[in-house]
Parts: sequence; structure tokens; C-alpha cells
Amino acid sequence: QSVLTQPPSASGTPGQRVTISCSGSSSNIGRNDVYWYQQFPGSAPKLLIFRTIRRPSGVPDRFSASKSGTSASLAISGLRSEDEADYFCAAWDDSLSGWLFGRGTKLTVL
Amino acid sequence: QVHLVQSGAEVKKPGSSVKISCKASGYTFTSFYMQWVRQAPGQSLEWMGWINIGNGNTMYSQKFQGRVTITRDTSATTTYLELSSLRSEDTAVYYCARDNVKVGATFDYWGQGSLVTVSS
Repeated sequence: QSVLTQPPSASGTPGQRVTISCSGSSSNIGRNDVYWYQQFPGSAPKLLIFRTIRRPSGVPDRFSASKSGTSASLAISGLRSEDEADYFCAAWDDSLSGWLFGRGTKLTVL
Repeated sequence: QVHLVQSGAEVKKPGSSVKISCKASGYTFTSFYMQWVRQAPGQSLEWMGWINIGNGNTMYSQKFQGRVTITRDTSATTTYLELSSLRSEDTAVYYCARDNVKVGATFDYWGQGSLVTVSS
């Protein structure tokens, strides 16, 4: 597997809670940390979650993440219009000896 | 604060090479790794490799082995990515991203990106 699987799109209304999934395998998510990035059009990605569940300073606690087996998820609560962006997951793959990224999920705030 | 400033856009012919720079400031350069990632238009992110700034050790994605070289100049706090034998599929935005190995915060700061267009 050369890429992690994410849904291409997700949506929610302001104030709602939205989750984005990321599916991998035993060689990546199953045994390594998961990372999440937020990207706005025309901009570089920004680190949202590292080491599966940790938030860098400055990232609101509305963003949280979890992992179970070979899947991970990012949750955004209290959805805001400024959360509309692309979200990518990433994990190290032991078989490939390299970093894998998901294809990205475009979040729309309705 | 941490800043990673990359070199500007490039237009290259197929078969040629490109060298992109990433100048770091705001932190102890030699205490971190630097990663390189690219993003083709409308596509996801693709990892290319990393360099341990402290000792110069590198690791490359199998996909780019033999075509990619990552180097650093500690006196200039700058990292370089060189990609050779360019083809149209290499058209992408190339990013450098710091790897805070000590705390496990990979890709914690990103450069603004450098667009490379490969066209005859």
C-alpha cells in the first residue's frame, strides 16, 4: 500500500462535530504514530496533530485525534467556517521505509 | 520564531536537473532533521527524503533513489534538494519541512513551497 485511505470529502454545519478517517495497514498506522495536517488552497500544510493524539501549541482543542488498529481519525468539534480546508493524515511505513500520506479530505462547512 | 524560506519558482526542460534551497532561521539548525515533500497539482503529498542536519546523514524514498540528493550547508543554515533527469511528472510544488525528532513532531514547520514546472 503506497497511500493511506481517506474519504475525498466531508462536510458539516457550524457548531457540528465532524470526523475524518484514515485507513492504513499493519506496517504503517498499525505500528506507528499518525500525524494530521491542515492545508488551505495555495498554502503549505500545517501540523495539527503529532504522535497520534498530541496537539502543537496554538492548535485549538477543538481538534482531537485517535487511533484503533490500522485506522485513525481526526475529529473537529464546534465546527467553524475557517476550518474549511484539506486535511491529510501521514504515518511512517516500516515496509517501505518511508512516509506515507493520505490523499486528503476536503472539508466543507455548509 | 521558526522560518523556512524556499527559493523561487523554476521552469526546467525534461532531462535537466533542479536544485531548490530552503533557508532556516529562528532555531538551532543543527539540532533537527529536514524533510522534503512534494505535491503535484491537485494531488496529495509525496515524501522524498530527509537529512539529519547534525551529521549530514540522508534517507531517500525508494521512488526517487538515484535521482534525488539532499544536502545542507550549516554555515548558511540552508538545506538543498536536487532532483535530476526531470520529466513532466515531476511538475509539482516542493516543500521543505522541519522534523523535530526529539519530540516526535514530524513536519512541524513548512517552507512556503517552490513550484517546479517541467516542460519542453
